[in-house]
Amino acid sequence: AQSVTQLGSHVSVSEGALVLLRCNYSSSVPPYLFWYVQYPNQGLQLLLKYTSAATLVKGINGFEAEFKKSETSFHLTKPSAHMSDAAEYFCAVSAGTNFGNEKLTFGTGTRLTIIP
Amino acid sequence: GAVVSQHPSRVICKSGTSVKIECRSLDFQATTMFWYRQFPKQSLMLMATSNEGSKATYEQGVEKDKFLINHASLTLSTLTVTSAHPEDSSFYICSARGRSFTDTQYFGPGTRLTVL
Repeated sequence: AQSVTQLGSHVSVSEGALVLLRCNYSSSVPPYLFWYVQYPNQGLQLLLKYTSAATLVKGINGFEAEFKKSETSFHLTKPSAHMSDAAEYFCAVSAGTNFGNEKLTFGTGTRLTIIP
Repeated sequence: GAVVSQHPSRVICKSGTSVKIECRSLDFQATTMFWYRQFPKQSLMLMATSNEGSKATYEQGVEKDKFLINHASLTLSTLTVTSAHPEDSSFYICSARGRSFTDTQYFGPGTRLTVL
């Protein structure tokens, strides 16, 4: 079984400041880890994913995340926040073992607010 | 990236009626599709996983006779909410994935169901 914990349901940062959204995971097998962004009344858009290659993963819109096995973490960062980054962010883990049967387990989400 | 569409985007129906939601992969063959439900300000909860040509696998607590899923082709899956009631009102999101278990899930834009 796998689970994801996102620390902080709401995060506010000033425009131009560092964005740090925290995600810790639990998995009995090597995980695939994902970050998704959701804008109001829209579906989810993939920001980035970790699939056991490089531990530092770069995604779209200037976001990146680092997989740290020792800390079971996959925190999302962006050096400089932009107003358009305001949205809901979800961390997710997939750790299935059967072809065609993998499923994502999502965290509870973090709402990011950008202060002008 | 790959595109997944959902139709309709919004639907309002009377209690007791049935509603069908379509999920289509527009530019790739989706051997696996997932259906999620999202309550306001909450995370996504997986309802079921469907593989093309097979019966859907439902998550614990999800009534398979109420939420009928059909995945008859590699580009189309449907979710039918039968005898809908106000408690079924929610945001329903589908995702689709290609043949490889390492493929990314691509999410549709979601369908807002309101049952009066």
